[in-house]
Amino acid sequence: DSGVTQTPKHLITATGQRVTLRCSPRSGDLSVYWYQQSLDQGLQFLIHYYNGEERAKGNILERFSAQQFPDLHSELNLSSLELGDSALYFCASSGGTGVYEKLFFGSGTQLSVL
Amino acid sequence: AQKITQTQPGMFVQEKEAVTLDCTYDTSDPSYGLFWYKQPSSGEMIFLIYQGSYDQQNATEGRYSLNFQKARKSANLVISASQLGDSAMYFCAIRSQNFVFGPGTRLSVLP
Repeated sequence: DSGVTQTPKHLITATGQRVTLRCSPRSGDLSVYWYQQSLDQGLQFLIHYYNGEERAKGNILERFSAQQFPDLHSELNLSSLELGDSALYFCASSGGTGVYEKLFFGSGTQLSVL
Repeated sequence: AQKITQTQPGMFVQEKEAVTLDCTYDTSDPSYGLFWYKQPSSGEMIFLIYQGSYDQQNATEGRYSLNFQKARKSANLVISASQLGDSAMYFCAIRSQNFVFGPGTRLSVLP
């Protein structure tokens, strides 16, 4: 158990809908990363938050948004969903932003857009 | 910008043999970390090994070792004495400004 909790584990929805994915980092971790993994693909970096502030954006669509709350949990909001948004969405956390700090991953949310 | 290249989409290895998974990276930052993760078919991401850019010695963790060649910007993962349970996707990653992953290599261990 990595200590990172993602909910829900599975989500099935229709095109055009909006969903929210939730992530609770390991206790004490200030950094939260979101990644998207499409079928048989690598992990595409979406966004990074540190202690409530956005630190970096990757290939995140304008239809997607995220935030990190004062209690350090994070939410990824996906709107106007398209079939191509179907993927495994990972949240990962680390204590800070040091280059030596590894990421601890949640088990992911499998999103299926029908 | 940071980038990771893994040129082997798939690899096969015989059980008990050693295998090397290639990883090259690109970054302009003098300080960075290199990581390898394993993703079995169950989907979870498992940390394997870390190498810092200023580390003089290659990192080792049990059957895993990292062949770090800084001048060539390569960080190859060596798995010794392969086991059937090593069959998985393997991702190389670099951390400096962001935490960026490569496309991965699918390793299949044959009995």
